[in-house]
Amino acid sequence: DTGVSQDPRHKITKRGQNVTFRCDPISEHNRLYWYRQTLGQGPEFLTYFQNEAQLEKSRLLSDRFSAERPKGSFSTLEIQRTEQGDSAMYLCASSKSSGTGGGQPQHFGDGTRLSIL
Amino acid sequence: AQSVTQLGSHVSVSEGALVLLRCNYSSSVPPYLFWYVQYPNQGLQLLLKYTTGATLVKGINGFEAEFKKSETSFHLTKPSAHMSDAAEYFCAVSEATGGFKTIFGAGTRLFVKA
Repeated sequence: DTGVSQDPRHKITKRGQNVTFRCDPISEHNRLYWYRQTLGQGPEFLTYFQNEAQLEKSRLLSDRFSAERPKGSFSTLEIQRTEQGDSAMYLCASSKSSGTGGGQPQHFGDGTRLSIL
Repeated sequence: AQSVTQLGSHVSVSEGALVLLRCNYSSSVPPYLFWYVQYPNQGLQLLLKYTTGATLVKGINGFEAEFKKSETSFHLTKPSAHMSDAAEYFCAVSEATGGFKTIFGAGTRLFVKA
């Protein structure tokens, strides 16, 4: 168990630029989640994959955001035309699936901190 | 819809004192409940979880939590605080029927005084 890995750890970019983050989940985990965390808040759910299928997207995820998990392994989160309000920590988590959903704890990466100048 | 309320954004205790972090949840179906801890510039680490069965759940680092359905609460306790416990703590809920989405509370920052 090498843990969930996220790259880069920090990203500074100018407003209007596109950014892409990568997440490598724990290898035997088939569920992968993206969250956004702002200062003083808990993680907010963005989207979720089971294997390569993206099963739900939060209303927080505007059309500038897109996530992929092409082969059911690593995932990317892209933000196009970044805005000041996109500054946050983006967390990736993975878990095993369980028969009734919800019961498996999520294992988190250390996040990518995005700063928009 | 699920929701989580953590009472107190900041809690300060002396080293060796009891730690009590409060969490109330709302769920329309039997919930799964979690406590996570987050250290600065790191991701979240699972402390403990409640799924079914025994309502008193023991976790890592001496923490435990009790699921009280009648009070819709899942408070986190530790008998004796250590300096290394200073961190942000998040309570979270997910639903048992086909649910995958986990909803997190806003967090409680624990300060431990020497």
